[in-house]
Amino acid sequence: GNSVTQMEGPVTLSEEAFLTINCTYTATGYPSLFWYVQYPGEGLQLLLKATKADDKGSNKGFEATYRKETTSFHLEKGSVQVSDSAVYFCALVYNNNDMRFGAGTRLTVKP
Amino acid sequence: EADIYQTPRYLVIGTGKKITLECSQTMGHDKMYWYQQDPGMELHLIHYSYGVNSTEKGDLSSESTVSRIRTEHFPLTLESARPSHTSQYLCASSKQGPGELFFGEGSRLTVL
Repeated sequence: GNSVTQMEGPVTLSEEAFLTINCTYTATGYPSLFWYVQYPGEGLQLLLKATKADDKGSNKGFEATYRKETTSFHLEKGSVQVSDSAVYFCALVYNNNDMRFGAGTRLTVKP
Repeated sequence: EADIYQTPRYLVIGTGKKITLECSQTMGHDKMYWYQQDPGMELHLIHYSYGVNSTEKGDLSSESTVSRIRTEHFPLTLESARPSHTSQYLCASSKQGPGELFFGEGSRLTVL
């Protein structure tokens, strides 16, 4: 079935460090891919998305590229801030009907 | 900012009690969802609704029930809570279907 596998956390970085959170997926066909972020005490919110191969989603300095050949959608940011500390969820939607979330990766950024 | 609200945010109750978790949205979305979230685990869909008087069970079997009498309101009820129901419950809505969801802040339930 369709599924998402995320890099296990927690991830701890210093401010201004480069961030990569790995996400790979298993799906029949070509799903749409998403990253959600959950800040402390808040609900999940959509961070970025990509709907077809080679698309790059970007928002708030974060980027992720839909790689069909490696079935991946890794999240990157060139220089993290303390305010980026949160839990990040990778997700896919297949056939506009079946949505699957990864287990989440907790990021802590220290000053 | 998402206009979707969940109450209560936190609830601690004894075994056997009936509880209702409230979820309301002011965006006029037809599609609403309930997810269960345990620490370090992926979100699991337990119920969804594509409109008034429409409810379906999700992938994860749940003893809870839902109703959708009004577009903006999607409450979840447990008739007799048990410790195994301890979890965080997230409500979400969308305009077009799965993918671009708006989430509430969640209701953390603890059953003693």
